[in-house]
Amino acid sequence: SQQGEEDPQALSIQEGENATMNCSYKTSINNLQWYRQNSGRGLVHLILIRSNEREKHSGRLRVTLDTSKKSSSLLITASRAADTASYFCACSGGGADGLTFGKGTHLIIQP
Amino acid sequence: DTEVTQTPKHLVMGMTNKKSLKCEQHMGHRAMYWYKQKAKKPPELMFVYSYEKLSINESVPSRFSPECPNSSLLNLHLHALQPEDSALYLCASSYLIGSDTEAFFGQGTRLTVV
Repeated sequence: SQQGEEDPQALSIQEGENATMNCSYKTSINNLQWYRQNSGRGLVHLILIRSNEREKHSGRLRVTLDTSKKSSSLLITASRAADTASYFCACSGGGADGLTFGKGTHLIIQP
Repeated sequence: DTEVTQTPKHLVMGMTNKKSLKCEQHMGHRAMYWYKQKAKKPPELMFVYSYEKLSINESVPSRFSPECPNSSLLNLHLHALQPEDSALYLCASSYLIGSDTEAFFGQGTRLTVV
């Protein structure tokens, strides 16, 4: 299985602080994506990083990918209460046609 | 239009009922997916359609029957479900299978089997 494993499973920080979530996976990938899910509804795509990329930025988001360690991290800077959600990494490739999701990190931003 | 629309939003059904979940996208995507998500768990892939043909069936029980009538629509027919099938069912689409593009998800159908 190429399922991603995230840590921490839960993270609670103060508004304005930075939040870092990590993801590890097991097999080769085409790309790794991060999604946000609010209150058990639909998933919103945040950022995609390809296997030949090492770092990517989008607004307050920064994603890194280390294919030698089969790991990725998502950094959210200057967190806001609205960032409270569950965050999932998802792997694409390695012979699978759909996305394989990690277990997720539940992020709580305290106002 | 970058939306994936799922109906209904909520569904309660008995174990002897037959119901269908519907999903629609108008982004021209040729890959469509059904995922199942239990509470506090990640989504798990159920079915993949590529160009309206079933590409993957991840060993899903036959009480779940997918259908892709055209490139914009995806259905999931439900029959004789069990209480443990209660979950959030998510539909998604992407440009092509294996393409380096994101998947777009609908808001899901929250299914309760009684």
